[in-house]
Amino acid sequence: AQSVTQLDSHVSVSEGTPVLLRCNYSSSYSPSLFWYVQHPNKGLQLLLKYTSAATLVKGINGFEAEFKKSETSFHLTKPSAHMSDAAEYFCVVSSGAGSYQLTFGKGTKLSVIP
Amino acid sequence: GAVVSQHPSWVICKSGTSVKIECRSLDFQATTMFWYRQFPKQSLMLMATSNEGSKATYEQGVEKDKFLINHASLTLSTLTVTSAHPEDSSFYICSATLAGSNEQFFGPGTRLTVL
Repeated sequence: AQSVTQLDSHVSVSEGTPVLLRCNYSSSYSPSLFWYVQHPNKGLQLLLKYTSAATLVKGINGFEAEFKKSETSFHLTKPSAHMSDAAEYFCVVSSGAGSYQLTFGKGTKLSVIP
Repeated sequence: GAVVSQHPSWVICKSGTSVKIECRSLDFQATTMFWYRQFPKQSLMLMATSNEGSKATYEQGVEKDKFLINHASLTLSTLTVTSAHPEDSSFYICSATLAGSNEQFFGPGTRLTVL
């Protein structure tokens, strides 16, 4: 069994300040972890993924995430928020145990204040 | 690469009618496709998993006779919502995977409104 908990349903930051979106996971197997972004009425875009290589993963648009097995966390960060970052962010886990099914967190809405 | 399209992007239909949504992998062959639905301000919920040439596997609570899934080729899967009701109004998103990969490529979604 696998699950994902996004610790904040809504995060608000000022433009130019750092972004931190928190995610904890549980998985019976070595997981693959993903962060997706969804803009209003749009599909999902992959920001980055962890698949048992480097624990610090760099993604698109300046985002990165660090896989911490001891803390079962995969928090998403960005040094400086941009207005265009305002969107819904989903942390996602895949067990990788021969199954390609994804389990989604409930999402975190990021607001960026000018 | 790895582009997935959906058609239509939005549809409005009358209660009791059926609606078909197409999901295509444009530049790769998708051995597995997934269908999700997303209610407003909520996360994606997996409805079913379909493999080319075989019957779809539905998640618990999803009516297979209401949500008909066909995956006749490696580049096309269709979801038909039969006898649609207002409570079926939702955002339907498909995704597709390459053979041997657990990365899913998502379509842009289809907004269904049942009047």
